Amino acid sequence: DVKVTQSSRYLVKRTGEKVFLECVQDMDHENMFWYRQDPGLGLRLIYFSYDVKMKEKGDIPEGYSVSREKKERFSLILESASTNQTSMYLCASTEESRSLYGYTFGSGTRLTVV
Amino acid sequence: ELKVEQNPLFLSMQEGKNYTIYCNYSTTSDRLYWYRQDPGKSLESLFVLLSNGAVKQEGRLMASLDTKARLSTLHITAAVHDLSATYFCAVDMGMDSNYQLIWGAGTKLIIKP
Repeated sequence: DVKVTQSSRYLVKRTGEKVFLECVQDMDHENMFWYRQDPGLGLRLIYFSYDVKMKEKGDIPEGYSVSREKKERFSLILESASTNQTSMYLCASTEESRSLYGYTFGSGTRLTVV
Repeated sequence: ELKVEQNPLFLSMQEGKNYTIYCNYSTTSDRLYWYRQDPGKSLESLFVLLSNGAVKQEGRLMASLDTKARLSTLHITAAVHDLSATYFCAVDMGMDSNYQLIWGAGTKLIIKP
């Protein structure tokens, strides 16, 4: 069964901390994505990656960076966490740019910045 | 800028009733996705609609796509409690935007026994 695994379900961090959110997929997918989900706003794309060491900005990249050193792993980094980054973070992957099957999502990480 | 609007954003209905969720989008697209999210859970892919006039059905859910009207619908027939969830549509922005998806805000559906 296809899986996208996010390392933490819940995280509480302090303002100014550097935060790492990890995502691993076991499907040999080329494409990986980081979204944040906020009530009433749907999902907003932070960054995505089409290949190892490749990254592209999404709609809301400010305050975030990413790393993809291996095909199966895509990390989201909050360089200096702020309270407005409190949110649900979702990682997803697809087999190709234009998926016939939809994205496969991880279970999400609910991050609280205090 | 592509905008995706779902309505209603919240829907409470009785079991056994029929209802439709609408997803309107503001620019040309020929591919649209529907997802389901249960509380505290991740998103599950329901339907991928690949062309104008596409219709897909799974159980009590049926989705359709009208690319000319820039409209997709998710129809629920004879609702049951298990269909309570939040439903999202997502629109493919096409090759020029690397096939990114733009998401609706979601429709929270509560089905009362």
